[in-house]
Amino acid sequence: GENVEQHPSTLSVQEGDSAVIKCTYSDSASNYFPWYKQELGKRPQLIIDIRSNVGEKKDQRIAVTLNKTAKHFSLHITETQPEDSAVYFCAASIKSYNTDKLIFGTGTRLQVFP
Amino acid sequence: KAGVTQTPRYLIKTRGQQVTLSCSPISGHRSVSWYQQTPGQGLQFLFEYFSETQRNKGNFPGRFSGRQFSNSRSEMNVSTLELGDSALYLCASSPGATVGYGYTFGSGTRLTVV
Repeated sequence: GENVEQHPSTLSVQEGDSAVIKCTYSDSASNYFPWYKQELGKRPQLIIDIRSNVGEKKDQRIAVTLNKTAKHFSLHITETQPEDSAVYFCAASIKSYNTDKLIFGTGTRLQVFP
Repeated sequence: KAGVTQTPRYLIKTRGQQVTLSCSPISGHRSVSWYQQTPGQGLQFLFEYFSETQRNKGNFPGRFSGRQFSNSRSEMNVSTLELGDSALYLCASSPGATVGYGYTFGSGTRLTVV
């Protein structure tokens, strides 16, 4: 399959709280899982990625966890700030035509209220 | 180092017409992928080119086509435009032969079909 499901579709948090976005994928051969942030009117930008040989990766206030057995991965943002407000997309590599392509989730709109 | 350049930024076309969009990847990047972004659907994979060859394709009708030139610049063409083709078309360039090197997106071409 070529599905990447992402939840929730919208998320509102108070500044300083944590935010968690979850994604599931269907292809057991997927081995690369990036996360992109897209601010209003701007291009998606890579914020963090993880490979299948790693269970967790952190970069300052953001972290990603991967559970290969359950085929799901999550983005964690701690101490959220208003500038974290954006749409976040997860993606997974999918094997197709003897090569890989990135399939994206449908996005999560995160709103951080001051 | 210049980023990914997409032209034009905006297009308005009439149903039945055809359109060509252009993408110039980061210098040295040989892979170009195209995505269609619509509200609620996220980023839908169209196709990927590497060294002038289409290596992968998504589930779009044959009206959507593309090509890549020897300088890695890529074009996508949509023939017989339909209202449902209105979307933001994003291209992404990557340096490597696999998706695991991360994508850099362009700012997109917003196509409106009337």
